[in-house]
Amino acid sequence: ETGVTQTPRHLVMGMTNKKSLKCEQHLGHNAMYWYKQSAKKPLELMFVYSLEERVENNSVPSRFSPECPNSSHLFLHLHTLQPEDSALYLCASSQVREGNSPLHFGNGTRLTVT
Amino acid sequence: GEDVEQSLFLSVREGDSSVINCTYTDSSSTYLYWYKQEPGAGLQLLTYIFSNMDMKQDQRLTVLLNKKDKHLSLRIADTQTGDSAIYFCAEVKAGNTPLVFGKGTRLSVIA
Repeated sequence: ETGVTQTPRHLVMGMTNKKSLKCEQHLGHNAMYWYKQSAKKPLELMFVYSLEERVENNSVPSRFSPECPNSSHLFLHLHTLQPEDSALYLCASSQVREGNSPLHFGNGTRLTVT
Repeated sequence: GEDVEQSLFLSVREGDSSVINCTYTDSSSTYLYWYKQEPGAGLQLLTYIFSNMDMKQDQRLTVLLNKKDKHLSLRIADTQTGDSAIYFCAEVKAGNTPLVFGKGTRLSVIA
């Protein structure tokens, strides 16, 4: 499915680098999400932008900073990461409404922090 | 419980049926979903069921819902090697909050 595209697919960065992950959705949805997927852990919801309001998980460290310039684009800015931040970062979108509103995922960015 | 629970691993022979089970948390959840994740990819929506149904069939997939026990299952008939993946169940809790996912069940299909 090409409805949600993420770039880059793979990223290796040092702990002092600054980088950004990009997500774009072509589905006309009004909400976008960042999830972190680590081995042997449940999917962790990091940030939600829904109807132009940001909802965040207070347990996410400040070294992760989201940006949503419009309903189709979502960024995750990274700085001074730690090795434990290595994971698959998944972007998703949905149409927020009453009833059935499943998430549609991109293929993720595999991040390795060295 | 507070978590969506799934068995972590399931192994079946090609051609057999697979049954993946899930226990969810909120008896008032309106929609329940099954997602599939293949290696190197994101999660792909497979199927869903509305809470007022107890069964839904879609080709080789059958979803069963037991609201009393908060139990959801996914049956894959005639399992193929291409079905090897991680399967996640997810629920929409009351208030249209974002989906809550289980840890996923890794299905291995043996030829």
